[in-house]
Amino acid sequence: KAGVTQTPRYLIKTRGQQVTLSCSPISGHRSVSWYQQTPGQGLQFLFEYFSETQRNKGNFPGRFSGRQFSNSRSEMNVSTLELGDSALYLCASSLASGSEAFFGQGTRLTVV
Amino acid sequence: EDKVVQSPLSLVVHEGDTVTLNCSYEVTNFRSLLWYKQEKKAPTFLFMLTSSGIEKKSGRLSSILDKKELFSILNITATQTGDSAIYLCARNSGGSNYKLTFGKGTLLTVNP
Repeated sequence: KAGVTQTPRYLIKTRGQQVTLSCSPISGHRSVSWYQQTPGQGLQFLFEYFSETQRNKGNFPGRFSGRQFSNSRSEMNVSTLELGDSALYLCASSLASGSEAFFGQGTRLTVV
Repeated sequence: EDKVVQSPLSLVVHEGDTVTLNCSYEVTNFRSLLWYKQEKKAPTFLFMLTSSGIEKKSGRLSSILDKKELFSILNITATQTGDSAIYLCARNSGGSNYKLTFGKGTLLTVNP
């Protein structure tokens, strides 16, 4: 069974640009959540999607958005990039909200 | 406040030692407590705990949850250099408020 797949693995963008990251969950999993990991703040929750609906959102500005498709694949978008957006972005998939969450390898975003 | 606190923040031991990692959490909307091991990129799932007093075991690793005192411990016996990693615990609030709230992690270094 394939794990959680995130693409791309690495990205370098300049300030002011926008970026789209992709996450394909484990087959059959309907919940996809996104996290930002930085050395100072650790892992912080961005948002969670279940059956194409955003159910919960973390404390991030509106420049961070996401969506989920009918096949449960999810994308997150960051517009007007800032230097502070440089981080490892991780997505996790789970069968349902109460079950184990499994992480992808992450996308390392560097904003210059 | 939505907080998960791990201790110690870092730990250096010798191969063969036994270690105990601690995680305390706040109770709001508690669904489960999860432990992960993070070596390079993706946090790897270790355990999910939902009920008090029931130990989960996997090889040399074990974990238990105390819902009355709001904490969990992760034990690693006969440590090996391959156990060197950051160990993360996360509280799952579950349901429509699903999100994982992570602690800052414990950096474990096992020296030969």
